[in-house]
Amino acid sequence: GAVVSQHPSRVICKSGTSVKIECRSLDFQATTMFWYRQFPKKSLMLMATSNEGSKATYEQGVEKDKFLINHASLTLSTLTVTSAHPEDSSFYICSASRGQAYEQYFGPGTRLTVT
Amino acid sequence: DQQVKQNSPSLSVQEGRISILNCDYTNSMFDYFLWYKKYPAEGPTFLISISSIKDKNEDGRFTVFLNKSAKHLSLHIVPSQPGDSAVYFCAASSSNQGGKLIFGQGTELSVKP
Repeated sequence: GAVVSQHPSRVICKSGTSVKIECRSLDFQATTMFWYRQFPKKSLMLMATSNEGSKATYEQGVEKDKFLINHASLTLSTLTVTSAHPEDSSFYICSASRGQAYEQYFGPGTRLTVT
Repeated sequence: DQQVKQNSPSLSVQEGRISILNCDYTNSMFDYFLWYKKYPAEGPTFLISISSIKDKNEDGRFTVFLNKSAKHLSLHIVPSQPGDSAVYFCAASSSNQGGKLIFGQGTELSVKP
């Protein structure tokens, strides 16, 4: 159990367009979902924490108007990168928690490339 | 400010020997620690964790040691196998900060046959 999926697995978009990434908990209800970003050979950086039905809590330095997070149900959260630029190119990973926040199950990640 | 640090970016070990991955932290409020294994272009996979009330937790070939006074934890893998080759991340969490995970930079382990 505790499977988390992400879609798409990779996406290439043009600068100025918006991209939506979906994160789904397949076999459990996630009370909290997290969005991370990983640069090459770097750590996973927490971007935001979202709870179903409420606004996401963004980490310091993360632009909430650029990275829109929607957590519409207990099994789905979406991250929309608005007006994407090449510097937004990265590996985005979501995770879901069904109890204690430190018990997170990670999705396979989405590779975003902005040209 | 890097609250969780893995100072060795890479480690190479012979198959069958012990792999020791180290992690240091600065925030004394962290009360739960986890190790994750990650392959390229995949999400992290949970390996083992330890609560701050313990100093050791063992699960098969994996053992995590916690030294609170030194703010240091380590992951021991014995015997190491080629399939263990991956990037290993340590992460720390504080229950009074919502339990969110703070990750180290990762250590790339290579186990040679």
